[in-house]
Amino acid sequence: AQKVTQAQTEISVVEKEDVTLDCVYETRDTTYYLFWYKQPPSGELVFLIRRNSFDEQNEISGRYSWNFQKSTSSFNFTITASQVVDSAVYFCALNGANSKLTFGKGITLSVRP
Amino acid sequence: GAGVSQSPRYKVAKRGQDVALRCDPISGHVSLFWYQQALGQGPEFLTYFQNEAQLDKSGLPSDRFFAERPEGSVSTLKIQRTQQEDSAVYLCASSLGVGTIYEQYFGPGTRLTVT
Repeated sequence: AQKVTQAQTEISVVEKEDVTLDCVYETRDTTYYLFWYKQPPSGELVFLIRRNSFDEQNEISGRYSWNFQKSTSSFNFTITASQVVDSAVYFCALNGANSKLTFGKGITLSVRP
Repeated sequence: GAGVSQSPRYKVAKRGQDVALRCDPISGHVSLFWYQQALGQGPEFLTYFQNEAQLDKSGLPSDRFFAERPEGSVSTLKIQRTQQEDSAVYLCASSLGVGTIYEQYFGPGTRLTVT
């Protein structure tokens, strides 16, 4: 069975602060993908990043970066210099051999001006 | 190009009514998924189609839930005799191919409220 745990439920920061969202996952699959999605108040799920299980290289894309560590089954996501428009619910998700996405419960991020 | 569309965007049903939710995937996408998102929760898998074949319906919560994709394109999720616990956002996603490597693209969802 697959499981995604997002221990943080709500985070509030002031604009321009950096913020890291934590994600821990469980799977028996050897090949899998990890995702971060953003869900603004409008409700639509917006794809942010994807990483496959064979690539632990951490990258930066604009203000977004992620830290994938298989040894600890973690896939943390960092927003640098947060902005008010970053306020949303963020979901970590896992896609394993059965192709269906397993989501965490989400983290509500509030960025105050 | 057009993304995944869903209709209606909002649906209010009285308990006991039947509802039908429609999903139009991205043209040419082979795989189609339905997810249910309860308030304050992450989306949860309901069912999966590869073309017209329903390959996985393990997430359907009861036999009141039924999904179809008869021509391998548009899909309908039907809920019979709705209950208050069915209130949720129903998300549809499609992907180009089969397997983990293909990204799922989500529609805007249908918010179902059962009164």
